[in-house]
Amino acid sequence: EDKVVQSPLSLVVHEGDTVTLNCSYEVTNFRSLLWYKQEKKAPTFLFMLTSSGIEKKSGRLSSILDKKELFSILNITATQTGDSAVYLCAVSLTGTASKLTFGTGTRLQVTL
Amino acid sequence: DAGITQSPRYKITETGRQVTLMCHQTWSHSYMFWYRQDLGHGLRLIYYSAAADITDKGEVPDGYVVSRSKTENFPLTLESATRSQTSVYFCASTGGWDETQYFGPGTRLLVL
Repeated sequence: EDKVVQSPLSLVVHEGDTVTLNCSYEVTNFRSLLWYKQEKKAPTFLFMLTSSGIEKKSGRLSSILDKKELFSILNITATQTGDSAVYLCAVSLTGTASKLTFGTGTRLQVTL
Repeated sequence: DAGITQSPRYKITETGRQVTLMCHQTWSHSYMFWYRQDLGHGLRLIYYSAAADITDKGEVPDGYVVSRSKTENFPLTLESATRSQTSVYFCASTGGWDETQYFGPGTRLLVL
């Protein structure tokens, strides 16, 4: 059975801290890994990773994939209260009509 | 650009009633998906569609019916609602050239 596991389940940090969110997967026929941010509404797309070792970066957020060890990390530097959200990791498989399998998410709370 | 919309946004119904949740997208995306999101389970795929008149079951299809007579619409019907179907339902779509799915705003459904 395909599995996507995120850790930690939740964390609380102070504004300005750097955080690292983890996503590990056990799937057959991996194609890509995606990160989404979900505030009190619909998930919004952050990154898609297909190749190992190539960092994707957007502002204070960055992510990297390790296809050998089957995990990805999402880093957020200089956190702000607006970063408070649930961060979702999802994996797509080859030959599966663009379907995604999601982890249960990491809830991040950034306090002043 | 309306993107992807869902209606209704909130719905209260009673056990045994039929309920239809609507999803409409303006991007002419080939693929559309229905998810439910519950605490502790993350996003779980109910049904998906690769094109008009092509639908397939996801992880949790029991008690749900879908149709897709037009590319832009993908309604989800609960034939006889049960309390266990109380959830937040998200519709998503993708063009299929990559796996990035774009989500609608969600429908919060309460079954009494």
